[in-house]
Amino acid sequence: EAGVVQSPRYKIIEKKQPVAFWCNPISGHNTLYWYRQNLGQGPELLIRYENEEAVDDSQLPKDRFSAERLKGVDSTLKIQPAELGDSAVYLCASSNYILGLIYEQYFGPGTRLTVT
Amino acid sequence: GQQLNQSPQSMFIQEGEDVSMNCTSSSIFNTWLWYKQDPGEGPVLLIALYKAGELTSNGRLTAQFGITRKDSFLNISASIPSDVGIYFCAGPSRFGQGTRLTINP
Repeated sequence: EAGVVQSPRYKIIEKKQPVAFWCNPISGHNTLYWYRQNLGQGPELLIRYENEEAVDDSQLPKDRFSAERLKGVDSTLKIQPAELGDSAVYLCASSNYILGLIYEQYFGPGTRLTVT
Repeated sequence: GQQLNQSPQSMFIQEGEDVSMNCTSSSIFNTWLWYKQDPGEGPVLLIALYKAGELTSNGRLTAQFGITRKDSFLNISASIPSDVGIYFCAGPSRFGQGTRLTINP
């Protein structure tokens, strides 16, 4: 079974430029997460989807970040414009959410973003 | 929001020693997950806990879901070099700050 796929693995951009990250979750998983992980910190949730619906986006900086999960499968996270403080690893994870229980989350390798 | 406190932040041990780390939450969790992250990789699930009081093992790893539903611990027995890494506890969509494990051969 293929794991969570993310691309690109690395991205270097200048500040004020846009950037987009792509995630393909494990087949059959209805829940998809985007996390941001700063150096030396634990992952912080940006947004959680159940199927196509964003059910928790309270930590997403909506002035510059946007996300979509069309058809409830792949997802894209976008930053426009990027700022220096956005440099981090962006992780995608997927799981199943059934009857109020969130089951095991499986993570992709992440995209390391460097904003110069 | 939910606060997760994980301790210790780092550990330096000798190979062969046992390791214990724990996590406490400001609110009740229905799920506790423990992950390990190696450099340049995403976190990998080690153990998942779903019931208060549950004790689950995975090889040399043992984790327990606290009775109060606000805490969990992870033990590693007889540590080996490949145990080096950062260990995270997690509730639903919330992660602790991690415990960095270093092993002296």
